[in-house]
Amino acid sequence: DAGVIQSPRHEVTEMGQEVTLRCKPISGHNSLFWYRQTMMRGLELLIYFNNNVPIDDSGMPEDRFSAKMPNASFSTLKIQPSEPRDSAVYFCASTRTEASYEQYFGPGTRLTVT
Amino acid sequence: AQKITQTQPGMFVQEKEAVTLDCTYDTSDPSYGLFWYKQPSSGEMIFLIYQGSYDQQNATEGRYSLNFQKARKSANLVISASQLGDSAMYFCAMTPPNTGNQFYFGTGTSLTVIP
Repeated sequence: DAGVIQSPRHEVTEMGQEVTLRCKPISGHNSLFWYRQTMMRGLELLIYFNNNVPIDDSGMPEDRFSAKMPNASFSTLKIQPSEPRDSAVYFCASTRTEASYEQYFGPGTRLTVT
Repeated sequence: AQKITQTQPGMFVQEKEAVTLDCTYDTSDPSYGLFWYKQPSSGEMIFLIYQGSYDQQNATEGRYSLNFQKARKSANLVISASQLGDSAMYFCAMTPPNTGNQFYFGTGTSLTVIP
C-alpha cells in the first residue's frame, strides 16, 4: 500500500494567494483528518470526514479555510486568501472507524506564506 | 471534554538506558484507545503502540511498552535500550468512542538520546 499521499510536499506562496492542499487516503479507510502543526500550537485537528461527510469542522480557524472530500479517495484543504500566520505543516491522516485503529499520517505539506 | 497532558517538554537519556515519557488523560468514557506516535526531525508521524482501555495487559511493541494505569489515567511510554535514532518528538493521543476515531493529541515530549 502506498500510504497516505499528500501534495505538494512544500508550498511557498505570497500573502493573499489561494492555496490548495491535496490528500489521498489509504484505500479502504473511511475517515480522513486534516491537522495543522506549528511550534506555538502543536498539532491541531482542523476537520475530519467520515464516509466523505464532514463531521466536525470546529477546528477550522476561520472562513478562509475550507475542506472538501468529493469521493473516498481524495480530499482538499483550501486557504483563500492565505496569510503569513497560516504558515505551518499540514498533515492529512486516514483510518478505519470500526474500532480503535491507529491513524496513518501522510508526509505533510510544509506551507510558507510570505 | 477529552484532554491529554504531557508534562515533559524535553527529556534526555543516555544511549542504551531506558526512559519513560509521561502521559495522562482525562475522560469520562469507559471505552477509549490510547496511542503513541514518534515524529523525527524529518517530520513524519510514525505510529508506535496502542492500548485499549479494556486491555488487561500493558501493550508492548519491541523496545516500546506502555505502562497503563487506568485508575490514575496514565499511559506512559517506556523505551528500553535507547538508541540514537530514538531522538524525536513523541506524542500521546487518545480516541474516545463514537467519534469516528477522532484523536486528541498531547503537546509532545522532545527526547534526545545522548551517545
